[in-house]
Amino acid sequence: DADVTQTPRNRITKTGKRIMLECSQTKGHDRMYWYRQDPGLGLRLIYYSFDVKDINKGEISDGYSVSRQAQAKFSLSLESAIPNQTALYFCATSDPKWQIKDEQFFGPGTRLTVL
Amino acid sequence: AQSVAQPEDQVNVAEGNPLTVKCTYSVSGNPYLFWYVQYPNRGLQFLLKYITGDNLVKGSYGFEAEFNKSQTSFHLKKPSALVSDSALYFCAVRDMAGADKLIFGTGTRLQVFP
Repeated sequence: DADVTQTPRNRITKTGKRIMLECSQTKGHDRMYWYRQDPGLGLRLIYYSFDVKDINKGEISDGYSVSRQAQAKFSLSLESAIPNQTALYFCATSDPKWQIKDEQFFGPGTRLTVL
Repeated sequence: AQSVAQPEDQVNVAEGNPLTVKCTYSVSGNPYLFWYVQYPNRGLQFLLKYITGDNLVKGSYGFEAEFNKSQTSFHLKKPSALVSDSALYFCAVRDMAGADKLIFGTGTRLQVFP
């Protein structure tokens, strides 16, 4: 969905490096999410934010941190990357005022490889 | 805790044949259930959802899903598969402990052969 963009789309990094994945949205949604996708495990929630001042841990937040710089921007950081953080990362948004309020809109994903 | 299970890693079907992708759920109370599709190199896209009402829910691209409370299932169906339906399909349930949080299944890869 072009309304939700993620940068970079691909990233290769080394163990121990700090990296940041960025998500921007033009949908005007208050709620934003970060997921990781691993083969055979589906999507797992890392962090979510219901507004700029609200940050919540998800299912697998260890080793990650987030920053909600504005309504439209939600960044995910890996403070010290490790190989088992190699995965496909998705950002998503939702809006409780939306007609289908549980519908989430996903970005195209960032493929991260940690060597 | 809420959860969904997708028992099949992959489903293969010939073009023109009906398809079914299975999902079972475990929730306390009434479930809010969803299907999402992921095409290659794309993010997930919403297909349909069930909250209440008619057990047969119609969604995008000709897909529908049947809610069965006694079998705790929410299978995705399409009467006639297309090669372009080949994708990864995820079932999800709303986490009733946290509004707008979804719990996803492990995904089922659908392969439609010409």
